[in-house]
Amino acid sequence: GNSVTQMEGPVTLSEEAFLTINCTYTATGYPSLFWYVQYPGEGLQLLLKATKADDKGSNKGFEATYRKETTSFHLEKGSVQVSDSAVYFCALTRIQGAQKLVFGQGTRLTINP
Amino acid sequence: DAGVTQSPTHLIKTRGQQVTLRCSPKSGHDTVSWYQQALGQGPQFIFQYYEEEERQRGNFPDRFSGHQFPNYSSELNVNALLLGDSALYLCASSLVGQLYNEQFFGPGTRLTVL
Repeated sequence: GNSVTQMEGPVTLSEEAFLTINCTYTATGYPSLFWYVQYPGEGLQLLLKATKADDKGSNKGFEATYRKETTSFHLEKGSVQVSDSAVYFCALTRIQGAQKLVFGQGTRLTINP
Repeated sequence: DAGVTQSPTHLIKTRGQQVTLRCSPKSGHDTVSWYQQALGQGPQFIFQYYEEEERQRGNFPDRFSGHQFPNYSSELNVNALLLGDSALYLCASSLVGQLYNEQFFGPGTRLTVL
């Protein structure tokens, strides 16, 4: 079946540090890939997405590239801010139709000033 | 443009009781999915409703049931509550036919079972 494995947390960085959160997936066919972010006490917000191999999703300085050969979708940001502190979830779904999202276990990120 | 709304925000029940959670989708959306997020875990898919029918179901027992109304809003019902049902319940809406299935999430209902 489809599954997502994320880098275990928590991750603690200093402001302006470089961020990488690893995500690998197992899926039949060619899924769409997503990163969602959850701020304390809130629901999930879509951060970025990629729908086919070699696509790069980007938003708010975050980037992730859909790597079919390594089945990965690692999240990166060049210079993190305190406001980036949140829990980050990697997820996948089938491309067509309103199908279910399969999530990783989440990575808690804390940025210290 | 109203996003996905859920009610109530918090709920406390005791074992064996029944609970109903409600969700209104984002304007223009016709599909509602429900997820259970246990503490420290990623959300797990419960089921999805489209055209007032359950379209897809995850690995949850029959104690979990739902409904979708003609205005696309939805309810999640859980019977015979167990301690393990304590979680954040998230509702997500989407539009059938979207190529990449972008789902918009509500703030969730936090259910505590004592």
